[in-house]
Amino acid sequence: TQLLEQSPQFLSIQEGENLTVYCNSSSVFSSLQWYRQEPGEGPVLLVTVVTGGEVKKLKRLTFQFGDARKDSSLHITAAQTGDTGLYLCASHRSGTYKYIFGTGTRLKVLA
Amino acid sequence: DTAVSQTPKYLVTQMGNDKSIKCEQNLGHDTMYWYKQDSKKFLKIMFSYNNKELIINETVPNRFSPKSPDKAHLNLHINSLELGDSAVYFCASSLSGGSNQPQHFGDGTRLSIL
Repeated sequence: TQLLEQSPQFLSIQEGENLTVYCNSSSVFSSLQWYRQEPGEGPVLLVTVVTGGEVKKLKRLTFQFGDARKDSSLHITAAQTGDTGLYLCASHRSGTYKYIFGTGTRLKVLA
Repeated sequence: DTAVSQTPKYLVTQMGNDKSIKCEQNLGHDTMYWYKQDSKKFLKIMFSYNNKELIINETVPNRFSPKSPDKAHLNLHINSLELGDSAVYFCASSLSGGSNQPQHFGDGTRLSIL
C-alpha cells in the first residue's frame, strides 16, 4: 500500500520562525504535489515537484523532492499568520488515476 | 467566477434520509473526483470519472451513487444516510487523470447526520 506519512501532525509557532514539514513514503513517485487548505475551503495547489533532488521556491516557501523520489519537504522561512492552514502532500498511485493524500500537517502561526 | 462549485455548502439531515450533492466545473477539465475528508482531516478519494465514465470506485458502500450527466458535472447521491457518513465531501477536477495534473477543489459540503 502506498502511504504518504507527514510529520509533524501539528505545529504551532510564533510569527517570524522557520519550520519544515516532511512527507515520506516507502514507494517511489513520479511526481509529488503540495497543497494548502484553509478552514472552510478546499485544498489549493502550491507546487508540483517531478525530478529527484528538485528544489522549487515560492516566495518564502521552499519545496524539495528527495533524490530517490520517496520523500519531500516543505520549508517556510519567517512564517506569517497567513501561512496558517493544513498542508497536504499528494501523489498518484503508480499507473492509476488514483490520487493519494498525505496524513496532513496542521500549522498555526501565532502573532 | 468559481472554477469548481458544489452545493449545498452545509447539509444537516436525519439518519436514514437520502440526499444529493451537486458539483460543476467550468474549467473544461476531463476528469472529476469526489473525496471524503474525515474529522482528522484525512482526505480520501471515493470516485473518479473521466469524460463521464467511472474509472475509480474506491470500495465505497453502494449507498453512494455518483452520476455524471456530462463532463462538467459530477453529482453524488447518498441513500440511507448513516452517522458515519458525517464528513466534508469535496468535489475536484483535473485536466486529465494523469500524474502531474493539479486538482482543483470545490469548497466542500459539510454533511452532518443527526
